[in-house]
Amino acid sequence: GAGVSQSPSNKVTEKGKDVELRCDPISGHTALYWYRQSLGQGLEFLIYFQGNSAPDKSGLPSDRFSAERTGGSVSTLTIQRTQQEDSAVYLCASSLDGLGEQYFGPGTRLTVT
Amino acid sequence: QKEVEQDPGPLSVPEGAIVSLNCTYSNSAFQYFMWYRQYSRKGPELLMYTYSSGNKEDGRFTAQVDKSSKYISLFIRDSQPSDSATYLCAMSDGQAGTALIFGKGTTLSVSS
Repeated sequence: GAGVSQSPSNKVTEKGKDVELRCDPISGHTALYWYRQSLGQGLEFLIYFQGNSAPDKSGLPSDRFSAERTGGSVSTLTIQRTQQEDSAVYLCASSLDGLGEQYFGPGTRLTVT
Repeated sequence: QKEVEQDPGPLSVPEGAIVSLNCTYSNSAFQYFMWYRQYSRKGPELLMYTYSSGNKEDGRFTAQVDKSSKYISLFIRDSQPSDSATYLCAMSDGQAGTALIFGKGTTLSVSS
């Protein structure tokens, strides 16, 4: 079946601009996660959605970051007023029920110039 | 002390070698342990998923968990050039919605 998909695959933006990153989870998966992978930093948790519950935003690094999940499926991660330190690969993962394995998408490589 | 420690390598081996990749952790609440493989410019791909202590085998891959030592391993037998990638260990306490805690990854290169 189809895996997790993300778009765009690459995004280059100027400092100060807003960007939106999209994630389509595996069909039927109720849990959705966003992670950030920076060079030398490993994967860093950003935000978690489970069904219709309030999201766990504890990993968001600043109030410039926000995310939403519409209809329990597609999710959008928005970064406002981008900074150079936001340059990273943003990965989305989904899980059947939030308890087990997480399956990752290919990521969006964000470069802020 | 970081929650999960993983030697970044790089690790270079000849084709056919047995590879051992390891992670140590400090949180005794971790119960679920995973190994992901990540090729350059791709997302992490789940390789192995284990619960609590013990061994799990899948083809050329064997995952071991020793909770008493807070130590997990991934063994790759008869390594192939296609195994060249970064290997990430990940773990969680199994509570609903808990984010995975990742090691920084070990880069493996298998030469033919």
